[in-house]
Order: sequence, then structure tokens, then C-alpha cells
Amino acid sequence: SQQGEEDPQALSIQEGENATMNCSYKTSINNLQWYRQNSGRGLVHLILIRSNEREKHSGRLRVTLDTSKKSSSLLITASRAADTASYFCAPGGGINDYKLSFGAGTTVTVRA
Amino acid sequence: DGGITQSPKYLFRKEGQNVTLSCEQNLNHDAMYWYRQDPGQGLRLIYYSQIVNDFQKGDIAEGYSVSREKKESFPLTVTSAQKNPTAFYLCASSMWGNTEAFFGQGTRLTVV
Repeated sequence: SQQGEEDPQALSIQEGENATMNCSYKTSINNLQWYRQNSGRGLVHLILIRSNEREKHSGRLRVTLDTSKKSSSLLITASRAADTASYFCAPGGGINDYKLSFGAGTTVTVRA
Repeated sequence: DGGITQSPKYLFRKEGQNVTLSCEQNLNHDAMYWYRQDPGQGLRLIYYSQIVNDFQKGDIAEGYSVSREKKESFPLTVTSAQKNPTAFYLCASSMWGNTEAFFGQGTRLTVV
């Protein structure tokens, strides 16, 4: 697999606002995953979007995938203090591609 | 209670000593991974394993060794050859390649 590149590196928003972060990658993928990491903890899987999907929702999360631009975005709506975390994307080559790599992530701070 | 367990949570060692970090999963997952995370940085892949008795080097394998004698266990040894071993180490497992990965809570290793 390949490493995704998240952008921006850091994001600070007010509680209740939306947060958007992007992930770019270099070569074609089979799927793309997003994970969250709270400070000092392990990563938690948020959502997996397949290459034939354009958009996927999970609660307050919305993920889009544009394979022509080799990019994905993660939108968190109506942010809460508990959304303060780092977010990572992982572009994937498929179930026979076992190498799971991560980039530097986007650090989101939600201000009360 | 299914999950992935890393132990210990904190580990202190003297420079020049080898140290082994434990990672156990009872999720019946084929794939297991080790990552290193430095303060404010993303995750870097050290080693990964697709099946028992098989493993591959990740992006920063130098100074580390692993074994996969049992499906449930994937211990990581940080050898004295690792120049800067102080870091947060995360273990993960997944059913197959590029499917949802489950992470342990991490081991924070400090070498003095």
C-alpha cells in the first residue's frame, strides 16, 4: 500500500463548527480508511470507503472519495470537544495488500 | 472480551539493553502490525505479518526484530542497535490486508 498525505497539518475550530480535512495519495487504490487517535491512545477506525463509492456517512462523519483526483476528504459536522484528536487516512490496495501505512495526520482542536 | 492487548503500558530500560514488547490479540486476525510514533508525529511501520511464521519489514525495521510463532502473538524486540528507541509503540491487527485494523493502547518505551 502507500502512505496518504493529510492536509492541513493542524486545524482549530469552535465547538459546533464543521471540520474538513483532506487526504491525497499517489497511485490507484482499492479502498481508503480513516482513523482517529486521541492523545496517548491507539488509533480507532472511523470509516472505510471503497474505490467504487463516492461518498459515505457515519453519524456526524462524511467521507468523500475522488479517484480521478486521488483524494479523499473527511468532514466532521457540528464538532464537539470530544472530537479533539488526530485524524489519519490509509489508502489501501486491497485484501491481498497487507502493508498498512499512515501519514503524519491532521490534528484537530475543538475549542469550547 | 475480544481485543488487542499490549503490555506493559510504560517501560523503562537502560541504554544497550534489548527489550521485548508484548502484543496479543484474540480476534482471530491473520494480520498484525507494529508502529512507532514519536511526539507530534505520525505512525511509522516497523514490521508486519500476514500469517504465522511469516513477516515483512516495514519502513523503519533497522534495530528491531519480531517473531510470529502463534497467530495470537506478535512480540517486538527493540535491540541495542536501535539508535533512538525512546518512543510510543503501537500494535494493530486486521482480518486481512487493508481491512479495518484494531489497535492496542500502546507501550511507551523510555531508554535512559
